[in-house]
Amino acid sequence: DTGVSQDPRHKITKRGQNVTFRCDPISEHNRLYWYRQTLGQGPEFLTYFQNEAQLEKSRLLSDRFSAERPKGSFSTLEIQRTEQGDSAMYLCASSGRGQEAFFGQGTRLTVV
Amino acid sequence: DAKTTQPNSMESNEEEPVHLPCNHSTISGTDYIHWYRQLPSQGPEYVIHGLTSNVNNRMASLAIAEDRKSSTLILHRATLRDAAVYYCILRHTLGGNQFYFGTGTSLTVIP
Repeated sequence: DTGVSQDPRHKITKRGQNVTFRCDPISEHNRLYWYRQTLGQGPEFLTYFQNEAQLEKSRLLSDRFSAERPKGSFSTLEIQRTEQGDSAMYLCASSGRGQEAFFGQGTRLTVV
Repeated sequence: DAKTTQPNSMESNEEEPVHLPCNHSTISGTDYIHWYRQLPSQGPEYVIHGLTSNVNNRMASLAIAEDRKSSTLILHRATLRDAAVYYCILRHTLGGNQFYFGTGTSLTVIP
């Protein structure tokens, strides 16, 4: 297993467009997290899945954001009608029975 | 959410030990103390975690105060590859398992 994989690594989009990011967690990890990170700040929690169930969503996750994890495997994060303020690094992490979480390399979104 | 407080930045000379402090005075009894680090342009990387007792692993040691209101991450011999932002995080294990990051400590290692 090569770890948590995120796709794409970089995305440039025009304001108002929709974008979708994918996260493939480590096999058999039942917990999956999405975070957003802007320059100079620590990652901010967005949402958490246990298997296919979305158990928690941050207040940061406005109605333009939606995340899914069908079948409890990979996850997608969609942002509709992107705004310049959405420009950030979007990080995915997964964890299994242990305490530690494993993060992907992130998807860097630039909204122009 | 229980909060952590860390210095914004620290410096260390290469091959010397580094002690990175963290205060978490509002920690609850079920919160684990985690440390992650983030190298430039990469996702955070797990370093170590603990609940009450001091912990050692191949990367670092974690010293936890008896009252659990503070902890210290110890890198025994800093290398240039240890230059990163280090985050001290409290992980809730009841009602969710998410991690809440602060702004971390940016460690500079001087050759």
